[in-house]
Amino acid sequence: QSVLTQPPSASGTPGQRVTISCSGSSSNIGSNPVNWYQQLPGTAPKVLIYANDVRPSGVPDRFSGSKSGTAASLAISGLQSEDEAHYYCSAWDDSLTGSWVFGGGTKLTVL
Amino acid sequence: QVQLVQSGAEVKKPGSSVKVSCKASGGVFSSYAINWVRQAPGLGLEWMGGVIPFFGTANYAQKFQDRVTITADTSTNTVYMELSSLRSDDTALYYCGRGGLPAALNNWIDPWGQGTLVTVSS
Repeated sequence: QSVLTQPPSASGTPGQRVTISCSGSSSNIGSNPVNWYQQLPGTAPKVLIYANDVRPSGVPDRFSGSKSGTAASLAISGLQSEDEAHYYCSAWDDSLTGSWVFGGGTKLTVL
Repeated sequence: QVQLVQSGAEVKKPGSSVKVSCKASGGVFSSYAINWVRQAPGLGLEWMGGVIPFFGTANYAQKFQDRVTITADTSTNTVYMELSSLRSDDTALYYCGRGGLPAALNNWIDPWGQGTLVTVSS
């Protein structure tokens, strides 16, 4: 059972816009920035969005992130076949001594 | 650009320990956190702990507090993760990943190592 809640799957056709939600609590998303990671099949995760809405260099502007209260979302516009991957949200949780928590991951299928 | 290279796959017996290494090259080492995150087959990501080599003291997830030790060797730019009392459900890919900003654990994780498969089987 993951601390952050994501839908297990999402899908869209090429060119469509897809959003992936991530729900947490006051000790994690409610008080810390959210990061999103993309994991392509057979590879290590890579950061896609950090600090809620910042794209690292090299990440297309088709990807965007937002946060409100204890929830966050990742939007992908102009969906492409190479976007088919697992997406994980993550935030620092201030409980106890602090720890990273992750969502269970969303498998995005491009139809 | 910093690169993290991890040690090779391991096969271990239940009850034993495993030590995985993560060597950094091409960037600043000691002031950035190194985190350990594992991924069981077909499942999601789970943070185990992290260390900022300059400070040396590791921070562990409560779940692994009694079984994991993370250490850093600043002379070789290498961080180690040792997991003891292995069980079959510890079978997973173990990743190291660097913190996004110096001197803190809680910003983001990038880049990641290539992963080390640890298989626990009798």
